[in-house]
Amino acid sequence: DGGITQSPKYLFRKEGQNVTLSCEQNLNHDAMYWYRQDPGQGLRLIYYSQIVNDFQKGDIAEGYSVSREKKESFPLTVTSAQKNPTAFYLCASMDVRGHLNTEAFFGQGTRLTVV
Amino acid sequence: AQKITQTQPGMFVQEKEAVTLDCTYDTSDPSYGLFWYKQPSSGEMIFLIYQGSYDQQNATEGRYSLNFQKARKSANLVISASQLGDSAMYFCAMREIQGAQKLVFGQGTRLTINP
Repeated sequence: DGGITQSPKYLFRKEGQNVTLSCEQNLNHDAMYWYRQDPGQGLRLIYYSQIVNDFQKGDIAEGYSVSREKKESFPLTVTSAQKNPTAFYLCASMDVRGHLNTEAFFGQGTRLTVV
Repeated sequence: AQKITQTQPGMFVQEKEAVTLDCTYDTSDPSYGLFWYKQPSSGEMIFLIYQGSYDQQNATEGRYSLNFQKARKSANLVISASQLGDSAMYFCAMREIQGAQKLVFGQGTRLTINP
């Protein structure tokens, strides 16, 4: 079955450590997105990518980094520079080849807690 | 710049009543798509309905309909005959056809259906 997979579901990190969240899709989508969601809040865009080897900063990119070496994969690294990384992280992908009416597909999310 | 605004942090509705969730947007792109998603307490994102900027008719999907007023830049979601299972967070989102395919979300509305 086609879909988008995030791992792990729960992640605990010590302060000062970098951690990488995985996002893989087999939907052949060009565009991929990372969002951060704090409790009771909306989705804020961290990074997005339209194509392999290219990505753009979203609204809250500071303290995060990404790579897009393969179409299927868009990992997010939460660095020690991110002051308050505890949050729910959602990855999404979308077919953006000229169509506006295709929805974004989301992974199940990763809940990151700094201890 | 793209912007989505949802002004209702929380809504409480009696079961079987209709409910309207507000969404206003701002964009300079004449071609854009508007989406509504539902997020239950599990955290998954469920696509509900889509409206294109050039669509002549308001979108409908089962109990969901979209009240699209282009001149006012609003895209309100209407849920008819609400059910207990409709209790969730609801997000409005927009994607522009030009530029880097950015997909942005509003702050969300928490809908609670009372029996």
